[in-house]
Amino acid sequence: DSGVTQTPKHLITATGQRVTLRCSPRSGDLSVYWYQQSLDQGLQFLIQYYNGEERAKGNILERFSAQQFPDLHSELNLSSLELGDSALYFCASSPSGGHGGEQFFGPGTRLTVL
Amino acid sequence: GENVEQHPSTLSVQEGDSAVIKCTYSDSASNYFPWYKQELGKRPQLIIDIRSNVGEKKDQRIAVTLNKTAKHFSLHITETQPEDSAVYFCAASEIGANSKLTFGKGITLSVRP
Repeated sequence: DSGVTQTPKHLITATGQRVTLRCSPRSGDLSVYWYQQSLDQGLQFLIQYYNGEERAKGNILERFSAQQFPDLHSELNLSSLELGDSALYFCASSPSGGHGGEQFFGPGTRLTVL
Repeated sequence: GENVEQHPSTLSVQEGDSAVIKCTYSDSASNYFPWYKQELGKRPQLIIDIRSNVGEKKDQRIAVTLNKTAKHFSLHITETQPEDSAVYFCAASEIGANSKLTFGKGITLSVRP
């Protein structure tokens, strides 16, 4: 157990819908990272928040947004869902804002868009 | 941006043999190179990492080597065991704020008993 929690574990929804994925980082970690894992693309970095502020942005679609709250938990919002958004979404956390150390991954949320 | 490639995409070895997984990166500014292991249905976990100021790092049966000139780094697993079967991801980033960790697409390692 990494200490990072994600809810829900599974999510099944229809195209065009909107969903929210939630992540709680390890106690004391200030950075939260979101990744999308699909079979053909591997682990794709989406976005990083550090202590409530956006720190780095990766291949995140405009239909997706995220935020980190004062208690450091983070939410990833996916809207106007398409079939291709079906994937495993991981959240990871680390103590610092910069890379150069271990990222602790949560168990993931499996999103299925029908 | 950074581009990380892994070769081969799958690797099968006999238990007890060594396995070598190679990665190449494109951005010469990258100076941090972690390796993550992901077992089926589980989360990725860091197994070893290396910074560009060293050429090799070992931790029991695993080691990572880095060639900055050629921009490639490799994971070496000796005396492989069935529990080493997993997907291995290499990644690269620049240490510091506003950097992004770029992962390769992963290599599936199968250790035959």
